[in-house]
Amino acid sequence: GEDVEQSLFLSVREGDSSVINCTYTDSSSTYLYWYKQEPGAGLQLLTYIFSNMDMKQDQRLTVLLNKKDKHLSLRIADTQTGDSAIYFCAERAGGKLIFGQGTELSVKP
Amino acid sequence: NAGVTQTPKFRVLKTGQSMTLLCAQDMNHEYMYWYRQDPGMGLRLIHYSVGEGTTAKGEVPDGYNVSRLKKQNFLLGLESAAPSQTSVYFCASSLVDSNNEQFFGPGTRLTVL
Repeated sequence: GEDVEQSLFLSVREGDSSVINCTYTDSSSTYLYWYKQEPGAGLQLLTYIFSNMDMKQDQRLTVLLNKKDKHLSLRIADTQTGDSAIYFCAERAGGKLIFGQGTELSVKP
Repeated sequence: NAGVTQTPKFRVLKTGQSMTLLCAQDMNHEYMYWYRQDPGMGLRLIHYSVGEGTTAKGEVPDGYNVSRLKKQNFLLGLESAAPSQTSVYFCASSLVDSNNEQFFGPGTRLTVL
């Protein structure tokens, strides 16, 4: 079945770049997503990428997709303390989303 | 627009008690979902609905029932709560469109003693 894997924690210094990685199993996924969850809140869509693209940039965010290796990454440039949150990778499988475990990003001043 | 709202925000139950979680959305979305979030396990889909009057099982449906009598509401029921159902429950909704962005509610924190 479908599975999405992420590492659980990442710690960076303010101003550095953060790279959060994700692997997925369903090669037929049409869309892959990054969601952000701030403490005590629900998830919010950060960005998504269509499976026929290999890169998408949106201000400080860069998404890279390696379809051959089924690897997705999210790079946050100039990471700020306000970026501290849990980041979820998700793949679209039919009409549903399959989420990874979430990566907790900690940004130290 | 309020978006997706959930009630209650917190609840403590004793084993064997029942309760219903309410999700409401004012965006005229066709699809609605119930997830549970547990530490280190991400979000797991409990049940979902692709339209008024329809429901379907997700990844972890056992011990839960759902109803979608009105398009804007999706109810999640626990008939006989168990400690294993202690979790944070999130509702989400989405349009029937190409990118399937899901909009999430703020969550309900449920503790079963």
